[in-house]
Parts: sequence; C-alpha cells; structure tokens
Amino acid sequence: ILNVEQSPQSLHVQEGDSTNFTCSFPSSNFYALHWYRWETAKSPEALFVMTLNGDEKKKGRISATLNTKEGYSYLYIKGSQPEDSATYLCAFDSGTASKLTFGTGTRLQVTL
Amino acid sequence: DVKVTQSSRYLVKRTGEKVFLECVQDMDHENMFWYRQDPGLGLRLIYFSYDVKMKEKGDIPEGYSVSREKKERFSLILESASTNQTSMYLCASRLTGGGGYTFGSGTRLTVV
Repeated sequence: ILNVEQSPQSLHVQEGDSTNFTCSFPSSNFYALHWYRWETAKSPEALFVMTLNGDEKKKGRISATLNTKEGYSYLYIKGSQPEDSATYLCAFDSGTASKLTFGTGTRLQVTL
Repeated sequence: DVKVTQSSRYLVKRTGEKVFLECVQDMDHENMFWYRQDPGLGLRLIYFSYDVKMKEKGDIPEGYSVSREKKERFSLILESASTNQTSMYLCASRLTGGGGYTFGSGTRLTVV
C-alpha cells in the first residue's frame, strides 16, 4: 500500500489569513498528483491535476506547487474565506489501472 | 451537468443483512471505484472496475463484493453486514488515460 501523507491533519484560521498544507508521496512511479476539496454534505470536487515537476497551478485564491523529485506538493490559500472551509485531499496517481491513492486529508476551518 | 449518482444518502442496516449500494454515472467512463472514508484513515479503495464485468480488489476488499453488468452502473455488496462496516461510502468514475475522478455524494451506512 502506497504511503501518501498530508499535514496538518486540521487547521483553524481567521478570515483573511493565508494558509498552506503539505502532501507527501512516493517519488517513484509518479504519473500525477491530484487535489480535491470536500465540503460537508457535498461530493469531493477536483481542484488540480499536476503532472510535471515544478508545475504550479492556480484557481482563484487557491494555488498548488509540485516537486516530484522529492515527493511533495503544497496547496496555498490566499486570504481565506469561510467558504474555503472544507477537507482538502491529495491523491497519488501512478498511472496504473487509473486508481488513486488518497492522503488522510487536511480539514480547514475558517472563522470570521 | 455530468453526474455520479449514489442511490441512498443514508442507510441503516442490521448486522448480518445483505446490503447493496448502487452507483450510476452518465459520463460513459470506463473506470469506476468504491472507497470508504473513516476518520483519521482517509479514503481507502475497496474495489474498482475498468470495464463491464471486470473487477479488481483494492486495498480493503474483505467482506465486500462488486458487480458491473452495465458500463454505467457499479454496485457494492456487503454480503453480511457487520458493525465495522459502518462508514461513509463514496463512488467515483474516471476516464481511462487521465483527468480526475468524478465523485458521487456518498452513502453514510450505519450497521446496528
């Protein structure tokens, strides 16, 4: 079983704070790294699919970077808003059988 | 709007019952997946299927089976439900060759 780790496990920030979380994954057999946002009572929603070392992706106030050689990705949220409150999942894609291996997630809570 | 639909949002079943969880997608995706999500453990893969009538065990297949008679439908079967199968179950689908998962909204199963 592949080891995909996320830290911190949970995070509580004030509105307007910027924050970041980490996903670490095996550096071998890498095909892609996925980020999802999972809000309570909703389906997980895809944020980014990252494939190239050094990749940076951005969607509004959320951005992500990728280092495949050392096996980590960072997700950044600039100026957190209450609607950013969710669990953020990363998933390792080895390109084998289309299945993903997920980390345990980072639960973000943003308060006013 | 493309969708993955899980038949029930909440289910309560008795120990020993045979339980069927249904998942239907309308995107013509080849690959379908069943995960369970438990606090502190993240999403763990139970079974997946890359084609009609094909199935592969994931990381935690014990106590489960699956059926894929049609491309759009992937069923998870708990042969004899036990209390340790109380969990949130998520179905997902994906095209072969890349892109992210599309998830259903989940079924929260309680076995009493």
